[in-house]
Amino acid sequence: GEDVEQSLFLSVREGDSSVINCTYTDSSSTYLYWYKQEPGAGLQLLTYIFSNMDMKQDQRLTVLLNKKDKHLSLRIADTQTGDSAIYFCAENLYGGATNKLIFGTGTLLAVQP
Amino acid sequence: NAGVTQTPKFQVLKTGQSMTLQCAQDMNHEYMSWYRQDPGMGLRLIHYSVGAGITDQGEVPNGYNVSRSTTEDFPLRLLSAAPSQTSVYFCASSYSPPGGPWNEQFFGPGTRLTVL
Repeated sequence: GEDVEQSLFLSVREGDSSVINCTYTDSSSTYLYWYKQEPGAGLQLLTYIFSNMDMKQDQRLTVLLNKKDKHLSLRIADTQTGDSAIYFCAENLYGGATNKLIFGTGTLLAVQP
Repeated sequence: NAGVTQTPKFQVLKTGQSMTLQCAQDMNHEYMSWYRQDPGMGLRLIHYSVGAGITDQGEVPNGYNVSRSTTEDFPLRLLSAAPSQTSVYFCASSYSPPGGPWNEQFFGPGTRLTVL
């Protein structure tokens, strides 16, 4: 089945670390992504991880992938008020011309000053 | 480059009315798609196109039509609007179908549609 789940809301204080979690169901996904949506805007790709990797670090962002548990997380170090947004994880279902992204429900991150 | 543009930004319709949501991109992307975003449900794929003249259904196509006469434009038509179509609609484009780090999907700013 194609189902990607996230918790709906996370609140952190500025300067703390944020961890946003995601679970997915399709073990054939080749890439998993994190997108950021700021208020009133479309989605922007933040980072991605290939399915044969366990971890990827990109400046303040760390992505962890546990394939056995089908669990993906995004850690934001030193969270800033500008990080307040909705974060979506997405898995890529491979099908050649019918490749598609399945998005999670989104997690609203609120950063308190 | 303007990227992916969508018009209108906001629209209110009465049940049964028809309208077209416009989407255009100037990046020469072959792949374009429409999603709807509903609270607590993430983004769901409505229709997609892998190139001019080629379209296909996504996850939730009922009530929507698309066409792709040019590479740049991918309009979404609601033939007879229903309250269940109240949502935020996003258009996205990429060089080829999603998959891989080289193939980022670029999203438009969205159209907020309310059907009364």
